[in-house]
Amino acid sequence: KAGVTQTPRYLIKTRGQQVTLSCSPISGHRSVSWYQQTPGQGLQFLFEYFSETQRNKGNFPGRFSGRQFSNSRSEMNVSTLELGDSALYLCASSWHRENSPLHFGNGTRLTVT
Amino acid sequence: TQLLEQSPQFLSIQEGENLTVYCNSSSVFSSLQWYRQEPGEGPVLLVTVVTGGEVKKLKRLTFQFGDARKDSSLHITAAQPGDTGLYLCAGGQWAGTASKLTFGTGTRLQVTL
Repeated sequence: KAGVTQTPRYLIKTRGQQVTLSCSPISGHRSVSWYQQTPGQGLQFLFEYFSETQRNKGNFPGRFSGRQFSNSRSEMNVSTLELGDSALYLCASSWHRENSPLHFGNGTRLTVT
Repeated sequence: TQLLEQSPQFLSIQEGENLTVYCNSSSVFSSLQWYRQEPGEGPVLLVTVVTGGEVKKLKRLTFQFGDARKDSSLHITAAQPGDTGLYLCAGGQWAGTASKLTFGTGTRLQVTL
């Protein structure tokens, strides 16, 4: 069974640009969550999608957005990139039920210069 | 904002030693999950505990969920170099249609020969 796939693995962008990250969940999983991981802040919740609808959102500015497609694949977009957006962005999929564990991809390492 | 504080933040021990990692919060969670993350990879689930006072064992790892479901501990017996990694606790909340995992601050463990 294929795991969660995130593309690209690495990305270098300039301040002010925008970026789109992609996530393919484990087959059958319909819930997709996104997290930002930095050395200083740890793992911070961005948002969760289920059935193409955002169900939960973390405390991030509106420059961070996402969407989910009918096949459960998800994308997140960051507009007007800032230096502080440099981080590892992790996507995780799960069954949409209480206490269901997250299955993470290996992340996209974004560097903003 | 729910916070999960982990202690210690860093731990460097020799092979064969025992250690305990603590995860504390002022919030009640429906579940407490523990993950381990290795460099270049996403976190991988170790265990989920859902009942107050629950104890689960995974080979040399023992996990306990506090009676009030606000805290947890991870005890490793006779640590081995393969235990090296970032250990993350995560508190689960379920709102019927939305789920969210709040991650702890992390404990970086290094086990040397």
